[in-house]
Amino acid sequence: EIVLTQSPGTLSLSPGERATLSCRASQSVTSTYLAWYQQKPGRAPRLLIYSASVRAAGIPDRFSGSGSGTDFTLTISRLEPEDFAVYYCQQYGSLYSFGQGTKLEIK
Amino acid sequence: DVQLLESGGDLVQPGGSLRLSCEASGFTFSSYAMGWVRQAPGKGLEWVSAISGRGDNTYYADYVKGRFTISRDNANNMLYLEMNSLRVEDTALYYCVKGKYSGSHNYFDPWGQGTLVTVSS
Repeated sequence: EIVLTQSPGTLSLSPGERATLSCRASQSVTSTYLAWYQQKPGRAPRLLIYSASVRAAGIPDRFSGSGSGTDFTLTISRLEPEDFAVYYCQQYGSLYSFGQGTKLEIK
Repeated sequence: DVQLLESGGDLVQPGGSLRLSCEASGFTFSSYAMGWVRQAPGKGLEWVSAISGRGDNTYYADYVKGRFTISRDNANNMLYLEMNSLRVEDTALYYCVKGKYSGSHNYFDPWGQGTLVTVSS
């Protein structure tokens, strides 16, 4: 089983700032099968990024993903008020697993 | 427009059983893998199970293997999760998810709104 560890647990930033979220895997993720999701309170998760760096349809270009092997990053270049939420990474190369989430909160 | 509508969540006693359903619409159901992801109250996402488009391959997380059974009815665009020997720790909101492909290696998009399973005496 691939265990995903996200850091930090909570990230406090202001609108307009840059956010960098990390996802580290316990073993190499096959073929960059890594996705990122955003979840707002009381809502279902929404796909942001797949294949580590490909934005899903309708996702603004301020969201970008990078990484390979065991280290992956989600970057939000300039935070908008609607970006404050919980973010999860997911690997789908060896069955499926999720990270524990990073809460992005307004400073 | 792809829509996933879950139902079947309820309050059940430990050791009991429950069957969740997910009605899918807006896409060719049999062409896509489907799955279930759960979220305990105030906690993170946890993958539960997945099934290939034709239903010939099923996958389970270790913590539900032998207790839960995933199935699908492609003629009626329905996904199911049969849950037996339920435990308190199975309490969660269960999301139905659509895979990107028919087989394995799927990311999930979109997600339903979830159905709540509460296991308590």
